[in-house]
Amino acid sequence: EAQVTQNPRYLITVTGKKLTVTCSQNMNHEYMSWYRQDPGLGLRQIYYSMNVEVTDKGDVPEGYKVSRKEKRNFPLILESPSPNQTSLYFCASRGLAGGSYEQYFGPGTRLTVT
Amino acid sequence: AQSVTQPDIHITVSEGASLELRCNYSYGATPYLFWYVQSPGQGLQLLLKYFSGDTLVQGIKGFEAEFKRSQSSFNLRKPSVHWSDAAEYFCAVGPSNDYKLSFGAGTTVTVRA
Repeated sequence: EAQVTQNPRYLITVTGKKLTVTCSQNMNHEYMSWYRQDPGLGLRQIYYSMNVEVTDKGDVPEGYKVSRKEKRNFPLILESPSPNQTSLYFCASRGLAGGSYEQYFGPGTRLTVT
Repeated sequence: AQSVTQPDIHITVSEGASLELRCNYSYGATPYLFWYVQSPGQGLQLLLKYFSGDTLVQGIKGFEAEFKRSQSSFNLRKPSVHWSDAAEYFCAVGPSNDYKLSFGAGTTVTVRA
């Protein structure tokens, strides 16, 4: 089954404790992206990647890092989480060939930073 | 800069009634427009998209949307809603490559029996 998976689905942590949210897709998609969703703000893009070793900032990259060492994985790293990073996070992927513009979204990771 | 406005935060509709969700966008060139649905506890699923051509586009689950360039709108409609349509709906706009999609704040739809 074609899918985007994220782990963990729920995470409660404390300020300053480094964490990583993993994202993996099995569709051989070149493009992957991270979003955060906050009430009243919709989804905002954090980082995206066009392919292995190619990443770029989205609209709200401060406080986040990403890496793309393999095509299928795109982890989101919070080096020193703060309470304002409490949010619902979505990973998405998309193929770049064939004119398909649909992004496939993971189920989300709800992060709480205390 | 591109942006999307969804004027209605919350809509309540009776099962079997029609539904229309509004979306207004701001974009400097020809926009690529999308509607996504998010069911409770789920990720986002694409309902439909508009790139060019016929301004009335059909999507999944019986939804359709109409692109009106003169009004900068891309409203979503469904003639008869089902209880399973209760969800949050997001309109999004982006360039042709959609690398930087901009999402609206979302409209929550409640369906009453």
